[in-house]
Amino acid sequence: DAKTTQPPSMDCAEGRAANLPCNHSTISGNEYVYWYRQIHSQGPQYIIHGLKNNETNEMASLIITEDRKSSTLILPHATLRDTAVYYCIVRRITGTASKLTFGTGTRLQVTL
Amino acid sequence: DADVTQTPRNRITKTGKRIMLECSQTKGHDRMYWYRQDPGLGLRLIYYSFDVKDINKGEISDGYSVSRQAQAKFSLSLESAIPNQTALYFCATSDLPGGASNEQFFGPGTRLTVL
Repeated sequence: DAKTTQPPSMDCAEGRAANLPCNHSTISGNEYVYWYRQIHSQGPQYIIHGLKNNETNEMASLIITEDRKSSTLILPHATLRDTAVYYCIVRRITGTASKLTFGTGTRLQVTL
Repeated sequence: DADVTQTPRNRITKTGKRIMLECSQTKGHDRMYWYRQDPGLGLRLIYYSFDVKDINKGEISDGYSVSRQAQAKFSLSLESAIPNQTALYFCATSDLPGGASNEQFFGPGTRLTVL
């Protein structure tokens, strides 16, 4: 699976949009971009995933560049409860293990 | 009730002891996983299972073994615990590829300390 690069930390004011970038320049055509987050030692939580098109759900939006070499997770109105480590993961969905390879992620701190 | 449960939630043990961590799920998923997390790092895969008859090693399986007793249960054992196995352990489940999102659902974690 392709490797990802994320900034180690970011700050965001409550109520503002949080934009978390991720570089995955070696991504292959059959690899998806997944985002998970982990709130203080809890189990990671799925947020969103996408292949080529931008995606939106009740939690976030995912913007994938046209060349697919980078993406941005957007939390439109960050709250204090969004403070967490956010992991960008690139992986294939194949017949073999759909395992997740976690990097060190981005620690997002939402402040008042 | 939680969909993925882990027991115990916390455990302190001594070097050389045998430890079993248990995971149960009510999601009806075939696939189950065990990960460990060390401070400041992401999760690393220990073992995974596609169904009751299938067990596969992950990237850091040395020193660990697993048992898939039923679709809903997947246990992780440390045959002879050592201090560098002190970590936070997570169990996860997922449905088959091609499901709605193929996301993994994680348990609350077991904090293991080996003295």
